Amino acid sequence: ETGVTQSPTHLIKTRGQQVTLRCSSQSGHNTVSWYQQALGQGPQFIFQYYREEENGRGNFPPRFSGLQFPNYSSELNVNALELDDSALYLCASSSGTGHNQPQHFGDGTRLSIL
Amino acid sequence: DQQVKQNSPSLSVQEGRISILNCDYTNSMFDYFLWYKKYPAEGPTFLISISSIKDKNEDGRFTVFLNKSAKHLSLHIVPSQPGDSAVYFCAASAASGGSNYKLTFGKGTLLTVNP
Repeated sequence: ETGVTQSPTHLIKTRGQQVTLRCSSQSGHNTVSWYQQALGQGPQFIFQYYREEENGRGNFPPRFSGLQFPNYSSELNVNALELDDSALYLCASSSGTGHNQPQHFGDGTRLSIL
Repeated sequence: DQQVKQNSPSLSVQEGRISILNCDYTNSMFDYFLWYKKYPAEGPTFLISISSIKDKNEDGRFTVFLNKSAKHLSLHIVPSQPGDSAVYFCAASAASGGSNYKLTFGKGTLLTVNP
C-alpha cells in the first residue's frame, strides 16, 4: 500500500510569487484535504477535495486554491505569496468523506517566503 | 478562538511508566476525536480515535478516554517506551453540516520518554 506522497519537500519563494504544491493520495483514497501548520501550532484546515470538487473550505483567502485530478492526486496553489505563508503544508487523504474515516498524512512541504 | 486545547506543551515520563496526554474542547458539536503522533520531519501518523457515543477506546498500549460532560479527552500510553517520544496532536471533527470532514487540531504536546 503506497502512502501519501508530497512534492517538493522544501521550497523557497519570495513575496508576491506563486507556488504549486503536489500531493498523491494513498491508494484507494478518493478524498484529499490540505492543512497549513505554522511553527508551534497545530495543522489548520485549508480545504478538502472529493471526486475533483471542492468539498469544504477553512478560513483562508481566495489566493489559496486547489485542484483534484481523476487519479485523486491534488495540487495546492498559492498566489501573491506573503511572509505569513511560511509554514509546513500537509496533505491528507482518506477513503471518502465519511465521518469516521481517519485522514492519513504525507510528510509535508516546507515553504519559506523571503 | 482555540476550539481544541492542549494545555501542556510538554511532558516527560520514565520508560515503563504511564503517559497521560490531555485535551479539552469547547465546540459541543464535535463528535469524533482523534490522536495523531508526529516525529520531526514526518507527517502526523494516526494513532487512535473515539466516537462521542463511547467513553473509552483501546488499541494495544494506547487508550483514549472521553468525558463529554467535561469536554475533555485523554490519551493513556502504558507502558511508555522511548520510541513514543514525539509530538502528540489531539484533533476533533463534527458530523453536522453534511459531508465536509474537517479536522480541528490542538497545538500539540511534546512527549519525552526517558530510558
